[in-house]
Amino acid sequence: GAGVSQSPSNKVTEKGKDVELRCDPISGHTALYWYRQRLGQGLEFLIYFQGNSAPDKSGLPSDRFSAERTGESVSTLTIQRTQQEDSAVYLCASSLSPNKEAFFGQGTRLTVV
Amino acid sequence: KQEVTQIPAALSVPEGENLVLNCSFTDSAIYNLQWFRQDPGKGLTSLLLIQSSQREQTSGRLNASLDKSSGRSTLYIAASQPGDSATYLCAADNYGQNFVFGPGTRLSVLP
Repeated sequence: GAGVSQSPSNKVTEKGKDVELRCDPISGHTALYWYRQRLGQGLEFLIYFQGNSAPDKSGLPSDRFSAERTGESVSTLTIQRTQQEDSAVYLCASSLSPNKEAFFGQGTRLTVV
Repeated sequence: KQEVTQIPAALSVPEGENLVLNCSFTDSAIYNLQWFRQDPGKGLTSLLLIQSSQREQTSGRLNASLDKSSGRSTLYIAASQPGDSATYLCAADNYGQNFVFGPGTRLSVLP
């Protein structure tokens, strides 16, 4: 595709529900990143995928968070039993390979009520 | 672990001024450093990527420099315009994997 696509753009969910966020990277990009940005805060790294290597999950804040990526295509970030503190913009980025220019999607704004 | 800081946190200048944004990182063993802009409520737009072997990159009115030994990068914006108003973020790679972001500099260019 022309750019990194994320869906949905906005999601409002009730506390305790599970949510799934989707990221479509730029075609051919082997590296994919998820970040979280709380209101007025900086970007927090969540997880990194590179090709078929084991993902770097070191940024996931709790075991309620998980992510998958099939090959070098779509990735989904799942948050189970959502909490109000999970409210944030979730940003996905991809790059042709590690250490190359990263391109970001427009993000998914998650609001937990 | 890589840590990135940016100064100033906010900057307000009249249109036409040249300005410099600063970024510092703690681990000099980086592969690259990237500058982004973020508009309110939007995602990040890539501005410039500097590889570790490079000292600077230019794109239009933007010039970014990199000094690995001192752990610093600067973004120079020439002849600023109101459309340049945004938050500017620098990001250094973390051992060649994910990027670590600074807190950003919020720039306002007044007409």
